[in-house]
Amino acid sequence: DTEVTQTPKHLVMGMTNKKSLKCEQHMGHRAMYWYKQKAKKPPELMFVYSYEKLSINESVPSRFSPECPNSSLLNLHLHALQPEDSALYLCASSTFGIINEQFFGPGTRLTVL
Amino acid sequence: TQLLEQSPQFLSIQEGENLTVYCNSSSVFSSLQWYRQEPGEGPVLLVTVVTGGEVKKLKRLTFQFGDARKDSSLHITAAQPGDTGLYLCGSSYGKLTFGQGTILTVHP
Repeated sequence: DTEVTQTPKHLVMGMTNKKSLKCEQHMGHRAMYWYKQKAKKPPELMFVYSYEKLSINESVPSRFSPECPNSSLLNLHLHALQPEDSALYLCASSTFGIINEQFFGPGTRLTVL
Repeated sequence: TQLLEQSPQFLSIQEGENLTVYCNSSSVFSSLQWYRQEPGEGPVLLVTVVTGGEVKKLKRLTFQFGDARKDSSLHITAAQPGDTGLYLCGSSYGKLTFGQGTILTVHP
């Protein structure tokens, strides 16, 4: 199984809502990532989890809260978002090593009203 | 963080034409990856190059890694509408860093 799955595919939320994005992989990868991508731009790294521990936080606002319940699952909890947070949110996973080939999920298209 | 310069940013061509996308850095790459992303989907890894001077082929796509490992190119022969998408080069230097991307549109 070389697939990274993400749910939901689309999400519309108000600025006062609380929602969560979910990501799952069964490739045995011990590194998992959240990226944010705006239209026609490259993905921007948000968080990196290594062996279920947060290893990199790219100065992301606290309204985004990541969680890694186990080695296969990655969540991104959203609260009090702003309209400018509307974007495609991508999850990825990889093994460790110099090469770091990443496998991406299809993303969640988030719209904040 | 390693900075990657990718060019061109936009490319609009007719079916059957050839094209080349470039990825450059002032630093040596430990390895370099090329990804393609179709609208509404996540990036998909096309290839990883590691050795200076390396050439890899994937059907109509040819990937080259510069001898000094500071540059790479992606050449597509006889482009097809299905090649349309965002092409990204990425380098791992602790974390994966992407170039600005090339938006390719192939018209039938």
